[in-house]
Amino acid sequence: SQQGEEDPQALSIQEGENATMNCSYKTSINNLQWYRQNSGRGLVHLILIRSNEREKHSGRLRVTLDTSKKSSSLLITASRAADTASYFCATDALGNSGGGADGLTFGKGTHLIIQP
Amino acid sequence: DAGVIQSPRHEVTEMGQEVTLRCKPISGHDYLFWYRQTMMRGLELLIYFNNNVPIDDSGMPEDRFSAKMPNASFSTLKIQPSEPRDSAVYFCASSRPLAYNEQFFGPGTRLTVL
Repeated sequence: SQQGEEDPQALSIQEGENATMNCSYKTSINNLQWYRQNSGRGLVHLILIRSNEREKHSGRLRVTLDTSKKSSSLLITASRAADTASYFCATDALGNSGGGADGLTFGKGTHLIIQP
Repeated sequence: DAGVIQSPRHEVTEMGQEVTLRCKPISGHDYLFWYRQTMMRGLELLIYFNNNVPIDDSGMPEDRFSAKMPNASFSTLKIQPSEPRDSAVYFCASSRPLAYNEQFFGPGTRLTVL
């Protein structure tokens, strides 16, 4: 079953602008992750934020997590044409083995288009 | 490392035929996951293994689907008999120990059942 729901479903912006995507989820989590999928390719891990963290940065990526609202956002700054892809949030549900690994629950993704 | 390897990349078959998808995880990763992606249902976890042992197969849609992991470097997902509604992209992913579930995905197998 789907846990995360991304918003918006599609987003088109000009190169150089910032892109913000949101994710809501339903159950308590160990962590939340964001993945990117280029057309016809597998998913690539971007960033992971643990349930006790509120914000995390990695290069041009900034992720926030609000566990009280069960929501997360992914901000991509200074977007580039190469950022065109689908972006998925994935949750690792509480009750999973924490430091181990369990199946992730993915949302349906936000399709981001960067116009040159 | 070559990353997660999946074969074949594309498979077209006729309804009723047996289909076998293959996966080689990243060396040293002790978790292996099989996912299915469709437009309607998104990405769904089918089954995952830890140290070659199936841990959770609750996502396997029906008895027509089976998965094995005979050793740490190889897994198969078999569909027998295949049906048109099985058409999807099937991904294999692996994860290393104590990595908080960061998963590395293969390129996927696009299955079309006619």
